[in-house]
Amino acid sequence: NAGVTQTPKFQVLKTGQSMTLQCAQDMNHEYMSWYRQDPGMGLRLIHYSVGAGITDQGEVPNGYNVSRSTTEDFPLRLLSAAPSQTSVYFCASSTQGGVEGYTFGSGTRLTVV
Amino acid sequence: SQQGEEDPQALSIQEGENATMNCSYKTSINNLQWYRQNSGRGLVHLILIRSNEREKHSGRLRVTLDTSKKSSSLLITASRAADTASYFCATTGESGYSTLTFGKGTMLLVSP
Repeated sequence: NAGVTQTPKFQVLKTGQSMTLQCAQDMNHEYMSWYRQDPGMGLRLIHYSVGAGITDQGEVPNGYNVSRSTTEDFPLRLLSAAPSQTSVYFCASSTQGGVEGYTFGSGTRLTVV
Repeated sequence: SQQGEEDPQALSIQEGENATMNCSYKTSINNLQWYRQNSGRGLVHLILIRSNEREKHSGRLRVTLDTSKKSSSLLITASRAADTASYFCATTGESGYSTLTFGKGTMLLVSP
């Protein structure tokens, strides 16, 4: 099993550009989440989904959109990139309730110039 | 807002020594989890302890949970250089969807 796959691994954007970070999991997990990690800040929740067709906002949702049309995929869209969105982005998935822990992707390092 | 705070922020020890990291959190939880992150990598789940449990073991890892003090500790026994990483505690809320709320992490350096 591949687990959680994130693409791309690295990306440089200009301010105002838009892009989609891809996340796919092959474990049939119901729950999927997007986090951003900034130095000294730990991980902060952006958006999450409890199943196909259901999404909700986390702690820092502004400037990001998500959709969940299938169980496997949970893309994160940056609508108009800003330097404040420079960060490392992690996608994670889990079974219902997360009682077995979350599986994380390897991350996307995004720089907005 | 951050739920947990790890202590210390950084820890440097020699191989063979034990490493203890602490985590405090603010609100009632369903469970508390510990993750490891090697430099430049994703997070790896280490161990989960439920709110009705007080201690849990997994290999060289021992986790304790004190819900009255809203705190947890992670003990790594007989540390190895390969244990060098950042360690994060994360909690899930008492009810509803179990999104993870992370602390800021402890950086552990194990020297040969």
